[in-house]
Amino acid sequence: DGGITQSPKYLFRKEGQNVTLSCEQNLNHDAMYWYRQDPGQGLRLIYYSQIVNDFQKGDIAEGYSVSREKKESFPLTVTSAQKNPTAFYLCASTPRLTTKNTQYFGPGTRLTVL
Amino acid sequence: GENVEQHPSTLSVQEGDSAVIKCTYSDSASNYFPWYKQELGKGPQLIIDIRSNVGEKKDQRIAVTLNKTAKHFSLHITETQPEDSAVYFCAASPGTYKYIFGTGTRLKVLA
Repeated sequence: DGGITQSPKYLFRKEGQNVTLSCEQNLNHDAMYWYRQDPGQGLRLIYYSQIVNDFQKGDIAEGYSVSREKKESFPLTVTSAQKNPTAFYLCASTPRLTTKNTQYFGPGTRLTVL
Repeated sequence: GENVEQHPSTLSVQEGDSAVIKCTYSDSASNYFPWYKQELGKGPQLIIDIRSNVGEKKDQRIAVTLNKTAKHFSLHITETQPEDSAVYFCAASPGTYKYIFGTGTRLKVLA
């Protein structure tokens, strides 16, 4: 089955710790995205990547970091600098950045700061 | 700035009735309008989309209409069923990496 997987499903973090959320896709998509979802709000873009070894900041990148060493993988690190990290995090991908717009989403990771 | 307004935020309908969710976008460069359904604790799933060169698109019980002049687009679900209960999101994209999402509509279909 082709798709996007995210792990873990639930993640708990103590204040001051960095945590990394995994996102893997086997759709052979070039572009990958990370969004944050808070109750009652639309999805907000954290980072996106068009190709391997390239990524760009989205609207709310502060306190987050990413890497894109492989086409299939786009992990997100939530650093201790992120003031309010408790949220639902969604990874998405598209075949290309511009030629076909349909975004496919993973199942999400719920991060809770204790 | 660019935004997408979505209404209503909650919607309750009787099973078998129709449901309509409306979105208004601000970026006139937007040319792609997807709708997503999100069930509790899961990622959004694309249910239908429309591009700016089309005014209406239908897929079984689901239809989307687009009015480019007014910058409105709407989701129509007919003959609603309990399994249609979920949160629905609209989005607008100018065809690049940028997707502006609405704030979601929680649809409840009452049996």
